[in-house]
Amino acid sequence: ETGVTQTPRHLVMGMTNKKSLKCEQHLGHNAMYWYKQSAKKPLELMFVYSLEERVENNSVPSRFSPECPNSSHLFLHLHTLQPEDSALYLCASSQDRGPPFFGPGTRLTVL
Amino acid sequence: LAKTTQPISMDSYEGQEVNITCSHNNIATNDYITWYQQFPSQGPRFIIQGYKTKVTNEVASLFIPADRKSSTLSLPRVSLSDTAVYYCLVGDLRSNYQLIWGAGTKLIIKP
Repeated sequence: ETGVTQTPRHLVMGMTNKKSLKCEQHLGHNAMYWYKQSAKKPLELMFVYSLEERVENNSVPSRFSPECPNSSHLFLHLHTLQPEDSALYLCASSQDRGPPFFGPGTRLTVL
Repeated sequence: LAKTTQPISMDSYEGQEVNITCSHNNIATNDYITWYQQFPSQGPRFIIQGYKTKVTNEVASLFIPADRKSSTLSLPRVSLSDTAVYYCLVGDLRSNYQLIWGAGTKLIIKP
């Protein structure tokens, strides 16, 4: 509905697995974001890609690795995750100074 | 970075007008006020954004007093489907990634 799609919508993985989350925006925006939303916690910005720069939240562990091959696609590569990484991972995009538009999220469970 | 304070929860009834107030005492000159709606296990949905006075769209109205230290989101004639968490954010549009997300207001609409 919002023009931002995410796959998969649900993911269950073991701590030794490697997986990737995919996001695609169809809005012609020039910035894309990854957010994490844990139970009963505020949204936490993880990464930003824009024309000008890539911004990282320094508190994000290195087991999360973003990739942005072009302005429409964004990936989040996951490896050796921990159970506390279980959360809703949200992708968003924005144009210039406009508000972010969010995708439906990927519900990640780490066993 | 401006911090916001909202009520943790609110109840109302179908057909009523609901007003959710947000305090942002240290709002900066370049900051805009943005409201989002979020349903469980979905990404936040942009509702409305404003700088001063009043902004209205097909979904809601946003009232901002002259000192801009607070704002009120007004939802006309709510329905059960308006039950959601509503977030108030304050930030400089030149850097959307600096928007700080709080706990939001959980609005419950009763029949």
